[in-house]
Amino acid sequence: DVKVTQSSRYLVKRTGEKVFLECVQDMDHENMFWYRQDPGLGLRLIYFSYDVKMKEKGDIPEGYSVSREKKERFSLILESASTNQTSMYLCASGRQKSYEQYFGPGTRLTVT
Amino acid sequence: AQRVTQPEKLLSVFKGAPVELKCNYSYSGSPELFWYVQYSRQRLQLLLRHISRESIKGFTADLNKGETSFHLKKPFAQEEDSAMYYCALRADTGFQKLVFGTGTRLLVSP
Repeated sequence: DVKVTQSSRYLVKRTGEKVFLECVQDMDHENMFWYRQDPGLGLRLIYFSYDVKMKEKGDIPEGYSVSREKKERFSLILESASTNQTSMYLCASGRQKSYEQYFGPGTRLTVT
Repeated sequence: AQRVTQPEKLLSVFKGAPVELKCNYSYSGSPELFWYVQYSRQRLQLLLRHISRESIKGFTADLNKGETSFHLKKPFAQEEDSAMYYCALRADTGFQKLVFGTGTRLLVSP
């Protein structure tokens, strides 16, 4: 069974703080993704990575950065958290030649 | 640009009634489409993909290229079908990206 884990289920941060969201997958997947999920807006891709140290911007990368130093781990960084980054963040992984993505449980981030 | 449209935010039906969750897409090439589902307090997971032509949990979806649609159907809804459903389209970027719709919440009442 594919397992994608995220470091926190709930997180509360203050405006201006630097925030790290961690994602780990145990299936040796090449691709990893970060989305935010908002009511009425669906899933929007923030960043993705297709290999270690490789990253590509998604549809809404502003205010975010990512890091992939190891194949199994993909981190999302909010350099200076703002209230409009309050959201549910979903991590996903997938094989190189497959469009099926396996999702983590999500991190609900609240920025106050 | 590739786009997925799910026109209904909420679909409410009674148990045993037929269900159709609508999905329309815009894509000039040969599309590959998926339905993902998120049950309450569970993670998002793949429900079915059009290339498999399979029926999962009684759900089917047929790709209609003429109408650019990929509607999800079930003849008799069950209460356990209540969930958030997302339609997704393979993005034409050379990477395995998906473009998701905004989702439809299905509520099946007893």
